[in-house]
Amino acid sequence: GAGVSQSPRYKVAKRGQDVALRCDPISGHVSLFWYQQALGQGPEFLTYFQNEAQLDKSGLPSDRFFAERPEGSVSTLKIQRTQQEDSAVYLCASSLFQTGLAVYQETQYFGPGTRLLVL
Amino acid sequence: AQSVTQPDIHITVSEGASLELRCNYSYGATPYLFWYVQSPGQGLQLLLKYFSGDTLVQGIKGFEAEFKRSQSSFNLRKPSVHWSDAAEYFCAVGPNSGNTPLVFGKGTRLSVIA
Repeated sequence: GAGVSQSPRYKVAKRGQDVALRCDPISGHVSLFWYQQALGQGPEFLTYFQNEAQLDKSGLPSDRFFAERPEGSVSTLKIQRTQQEDSAVYLCASSLFQTGLAVYQETQYFGPGTRLLVL
Repeated sequence: AQSVTQPDIHITVSEGASLELRCNYSYGATPYLFWYVQSPGQGLQLLLKYFSGDTLVQGIKGFEAEFKRSQSSFNLRKPSVHWSDAAEYFCAVGPNSGNTPLVFGKGTRLSVIA
């Protein structure tokens, strides 16, 4: 089926504004990850969901960052009172978590990202 | 803590020449290793992955990578580069427990010249 989609693709915000970034994972994928990619850097982990449960939010840089996945499908990453250092590409990835099988790392499939510029 | 090092920030090769991108990792157990490619304005596309078994893995677009435990390396290779291979390449490591975040290197930008 379709891959991971993200919207908007580009977002320009004034410092202090709130923004909301959306991720539509691959249908049926249980796990969903958010990563932040600063200019010239590799992606860095922000948070992880399994269905609607947020199992790990250790990578969120401050309490201005909030993520949710209320129905276990679409996820929204919200950044409150944006700062210039929040400017980055925000990547969403999903993977299929198969319970009952040998434990191994599932392949993560990435969306095109949302490029956020805070002025 | 897990970490990934990609020593080369930028590499330029001629079209048709061979390519090797280096990746070294630090991890306390057997890692799961990935190579992703990112074209400008695009997300990450998986090239190949190593979970276990044969240490030489084949991927898409003619790429291959070899896992060398003794050297903690997972270098990416291609025998003949095409102009369309110009992109950013990321090596990533994940622990061998299901569905955990990946740790990425900083990437190597590949330029291809005629």
